[in-house]
Amino acid sequence: AQSVTQPDIHITVSEGASLELRCNYSYGATPYLFWYVQSPGQGLQLLLKYFSGDTLVQGIKGFEAEFKRSQSSFNLRKPSVHWSDAAEYFCAVASNTGNQFYFGTGTSLTVIP
Amino acid sequence: DAGVIQSPRHEVTEMGQEVTLRCKPISGHNSLFWYRQTMMRGLELLIYFNNNVPIDDSGMPEDRFSAKMPNASFSTLKIQPSEPRDSAVYFCASSLRALGTQYFGPGTRLLVL
Repeated sequence: AQSVTQPDIHITVSEGASLELRCNYSYGATPYLFWYVQSPGQGLQLLLKYFSGDTLVQGIKGFEAEFKRSQSSFNLRKPSVHWSDAAEYFCAVASNTGNQFYFGTGTSLTVIP
Repeated sequence: DAGVIQSPRHEVTEMGQEVTLRCKPISGHNSLFWYRQTMMRGLELLIYFNNNVPIDDSGMPEDRFSAKMPNASFSTLKIQPSEPRDSAVYFCASSLRALGTQYFGPGTRLLVL
């Protein structure tokens, strides 16, 4: 069965510091992987996705993620965090048939001045 | 484009009442998803339609929940009878195709007293 684990429930970083949010997945074949961001009171917005090809994926708002098959990970990174990045971040995995989608439990990011 | 439209934005009802949530996907999108978000369980996929046909409803909690998509521009999620544990934010999302970027609506905040 597929599953997605986001080990960090809550992370606090200083503005300007680098950020890495962890995501581990469990899936028998090559998964389709996504990172979404949810601002308070809003729906989710796609940051980036990986289907195949280059394992380093660039997304919007300066985010990137790297697919590491050996570690079953798809960690999200940003070199310099802005106060507006404070939000909830969700990692998701989909089957390659497109029939199943699973979201992680989310990581809440707080940015301090 | 107006994006994914959900109505109502807020719903307060009493236990035992029927609740109907509505969703209008982005025009031209072939896939539609219903999610439920709670603090305890995070974001859960309830049901997913492709070309108006339900593909995976394994996430629907129980028989009290039903979803329909009578045409490409409208879907409903119905809870009958509603229970306090159904209180959550319900999101609708649509995408061009099954594995495409999902665009989320603003959500319906449901409170069952």
